[in-house]
Amino acid sequence: DQQVKQNSPSLSVQEGRISILNCDYTNSMFDYFLWYKKYPAEGPTFLISISSIKDKNEDGRFTVFLNKSAKHLSLHIVPSQPGDSAVYFCAASDTGTASKLTFGTGTRLQVTL
Amino acid sequence: EAQVTQNPRYLITVTGKKLTVTCSQNMNHEYMSWYRQDPGLGLRQIYYSMNVEVTDKGDVPEGYKVSRKEKRNFPLILESPSPNQTSLYFCASSPPQPGLAAEQFFGPGTRLTVL
Repeated sequence: DQQVKQNSPSLSVQEGRISILNCDYTNSMFDYFLWYKKYPAEGPTFLISISSIKDKNEDGRFTVFLNKSAKHLSLHIVPSQPGDSAVYFCAASDTGTASKLTFGTGTRLQVTL
Repeated sequence: EAQVTQNPRYLITVTGKKLTVTCSQNMNHEYMSWYRQDPGLGLRQIYYSMNVEVTDKGDVPEGYKVSRKEKRNFPLILESPSPNQTSLYFCASSPPQPGLAAEQFFGPGTRLTVL
């Protein structure tokens, strides 16, 4: 049973435009959410996170939005750059067991020129 | 350079031949974990360790063993590999702070093929 879902396996966006990656979760105990970025032949790298006490967190071109009532979060990348082309994983944690991350299936973002 | 290293990076083996994938981190992190990545399934946790001599099962522990005798090392052991363990494996580590513990540093991955 997939507790963290990324329903779009892939997304193509033009350079300079906004990329929006979506993630849904089912476990109401999750209270900390993260996005990881993964290039081919490399391990995932942490991108941005958000605690459930917030509804938005921004870091440069990356913003994560959290809608707790809908159990939905999204990652916005503005403006998108070719170097952003990667697989993006959404992950969730119950900080009571912060050691355990549950990942989504990933969305492959392609930023075209 | 702060990093998580895994060896080997690529391995092809046969069913039943015991193997170990090593993982080492130089950041003095208490927490370490193993994941496998499979198409359409994302990253799934196999085992994790909160500290030396403290390990626990993740979501898909069957067929795997781990040990944590030293803080920096967390090897993954497949006693009798089977073809369904063909996958891409990642080791990760993180410091113990609540919340921050979830921001894990990943190794480069080990691609394992079991014939």
